[in-house]
Amino acid sequence: DTEVTQTPKHLVMGMTNKKSLKCEQHMGHRAMYWYKQKAKKPPELMFVYSYEKLSINESVPSRFSPECPNSSLLNLHLHALQPEDSALYLCASSQGQGRGELFFGEGSRLTVL
Amino acid sequence: KNQVEQSPQSLIILEGKNCTLQCNYTVSPFSNLRWYKQDTGRGPVSLTIMTFSENTKSNGRYTATLDADTKQSSLHITASQLSDSASYICVVSAKSNYQLIWGAGTKLIIKP
Repeated sequence: DTEVTQTPKHLVMGMTNKKSLKCEQHMGHRAMYWYKQKAKKPPELMFVYSYEKLSINESVPSRFSPECPNSSLLNLHLHALQPEDSALYLCASSQGQGRGELFFGEGSRLTVL
Repeated sequence: KNQVEQSPQSLIILEGKNCTLQCNYTVSPFSNLRWYKQDTGRGPVSLTIMTFSENTKSNGRYTATLDADTKQSSLHITASQLSDSASYICVVSAKSNYQLIWGAGTKLIIKP
């Protein structure tokens, strides 16, 4: 199984809503990532978890809150987002941080109204 | 400053033709170079990963080359198909902190 599964595929939320994006992998990877991608731009790194601990936070606003409940799961909790946060949110995993191929999920398309 | 530059920004070719995409980087110290294919609205898919000692790597009709001396890489697509229409992104990994530096991508359109 070489898949990274992201849910939901599409999410529309208001600025006062609280929602979560979920990501799951069963490849035994110990590093998991959240990326944000705006149209016609490359993905921008948000967070890296290594061995279930937050390793990198690229100065992401606190309205985005990551969580790694176990080695297979990665969540991104969303609260009080702004319309400019609308983007494709990509989850990825690799054997270790910076090691091995990076496998991406299909992404969650987020629209903030 | 670590940077990855890709050219051309976009390219249109006819189905069945070959094409070559370019990537120049200034990342140091260098760990590896990756090429990804990304269909619109979907996650990137890895095509190749090349380390310092690898000059050429193939994946089906995709062949990547790496010149670590000149810090250049190319991705050659042979006998293009309509399904090759996508953005192709060059990504370089820095050895110091495993940071991935992403290029802006080349948008390739294959016309029938």
